Amino acid sequence: GENVEQHPSTLSVQEGDSAVIKCTYSDSASNYFPWYKQELGKRPQLIIDIRSNVGEKKDQRIAVTLNKTAKHFSLHITETQPEDSAVYFCAARKTSGSRLTFGEGTQLTVNP
Amino acid sequence: DTAVSQTPKYLVTQMGNDKSIKCEQNLGHDTMYWYKQDSKKFLKIMFSYNNKELIINETVPNRFSPKSPDKAHLNLHINSLELGDSAVYFCASSARQGRPDTQYFGPGTRLTVL
Repeated sequence: GENVEQHPSTLSVQEGDSAVIKCTYSDSASNYFPWYKQELGKRPQLIIDIRSNVGEKKDQRIAVTLNKTAKHFSLHITETQPEDSAVYFCAARKTSGSRLTFGEGTQLTVNP
Repeated sequence: DTAVSQTPKYLVTQMGNDKSIKCEQNLGHDTMYWYKQDSKKFLKIMFSYNNKELIINETVPNRFSPKSPDKAHLNLHINSLELGDSAVYFCASSARQGRPDTQYFGPGTRLTVL
C-alpha cells in the first residue's frame, strides 16, 4: 500500500519568515496530493491540493510543488503569521474514492 | 459550519462499556469515513462507506462496528471499550462528482476511556 513520509515533525519560524514542509510517497500511481491544516482542538481542513498533471499550484501565501519523478511534494508558506500555527498534514491518493494516506503531521509554530 | 456533524463532541466512559458515535453530512456526498487520531496526532483511516456499502475496512478490532443507515449517516459503535481506544474520532465525507477527492471532516469526538 501507499506510504507517506512527512518532514519535519516540528517546525518553528519567526513571523514573516517562510516555512517549508516536505512529503514523500511510495506509490507512483498516486495522483492526488492534498494538504490539511488542523488548528488545536479543531478538525482538519483542506488548504490546498495538487494533482499529478500539475507541477505547482499557488493560493495567496500558500504554494505546493510536486515532483513526480522523485515522488515528493512540498508545502510552502510565505510571510508566515501567528495564525498559521497549526499541525499540517500531507496526504496521497491513487484514484478517486480510494483511501487517503496521511503523513504523520508537522507542528508549525510561528513566533511573533 | 455544520456540513459534517458528529455527536457527541466529548465522551467519557469506563472500560468495558459499549458506546456509539453518530455522524451526519448534509452535503449530498456519497462516501463517508471514520478516522482515529491518537495522542501523537496521527490520522488513521478505519472505515469507508460508499452509498451505504463498506469499501474500506482497515485492520480494526471487531469491537468496532460501523453502520450506515443511509448515505447521509455513518455511525460507529464500539463494544467493550479499552484504554487504548481513547482518541479523537473524526468522521469525514466526500463526493463522487465535482470534487471527488476533497474530504470534509466533522468536528471530532474526543473519547476518553477510564
